[in-house]
Amino acid sequence: EVQLVESGGGLVQPGGSLRLSCAASGFIFSRYNMKWVRQAPGKGLEWLSYISTSSSTIYYADSVKGRFTISRDNAKNSLYLEMNSLRAEDTAVYYCTRESPIVLAVSDYWGQGTLVTVSS
Amino acid sequence: QSALTQPPSASGSPGQSVTISCTGTSSDVGDYSYVSWYQQHPGKAPKVMIYEVTKRPSGVPDRFSGSKSGNTASLTVSGLQAEDEADYYCSSYAGSNNFEVFGTGTKVTVL
Repeated sequence: EVQLVESGGGLVQPGGSLRLSCAASGFIFSRYNMKWVRQAPGKGLEWLSYISTSSSTIYYADSVKGRFTISRDNAKNSLYLEMNSLRAEDTAVYYCTRESPIVLAVSDYWGQGTLVTVSS
Repeated sequence: QSALTQPPSASGSPGQSVTISCTGTSSDVGDYSYVSWYQQHPGKAPKVMIYEVTKRPSGVPDRFSGSKSGNTASLTVSGLQAEDEADYYCSSYAGSNNFEVFGTGTKVTVL
């Protein structure tokens, strides 16, 4: 069974940093592109970042470019999101998603999400 | 990259049909056939219902169908059932760099 389990969320002050992790199981992690998507409370979904299987291709949304860094460790079946210079508007549930192996940009599996709250 | 535009809400009685629009630009919806639709129930992670404009993943009822014309994609739910009440989001590939953009979301209510 495919499982994606995010961790690392919590309360952080504006300007602070946080590192999210996503532990993958039930599939060969190194063969799948991965993404981070977030959802602010009561708001819609927002794509944040994409990383290819070998980390050779990485994309970011303009809203997080220069502040967030996506990475992965295929040996540990893990995806990461390093978040710096956090702002109140970064408050959201952060989802780790797996890109479908057959369809570009489609997330066929999602984690349960981890809540990040940026507040003083 | 701006979010794709969806109506905030849509509704229908059980058994009826509801159609949700998703309007983008010639740089996303209009340029690619990589439009997807996700269903999200409260407190749950989204689930893909339609991909590549018209295709349904295994297990998704054929009551769900998708289409696209120009810069606007649509999701139709026929024969509405109580369990279809949820938020629906469209998504489109937007080329390298921008990669993916979601819609603003539509809350579907089954009356």
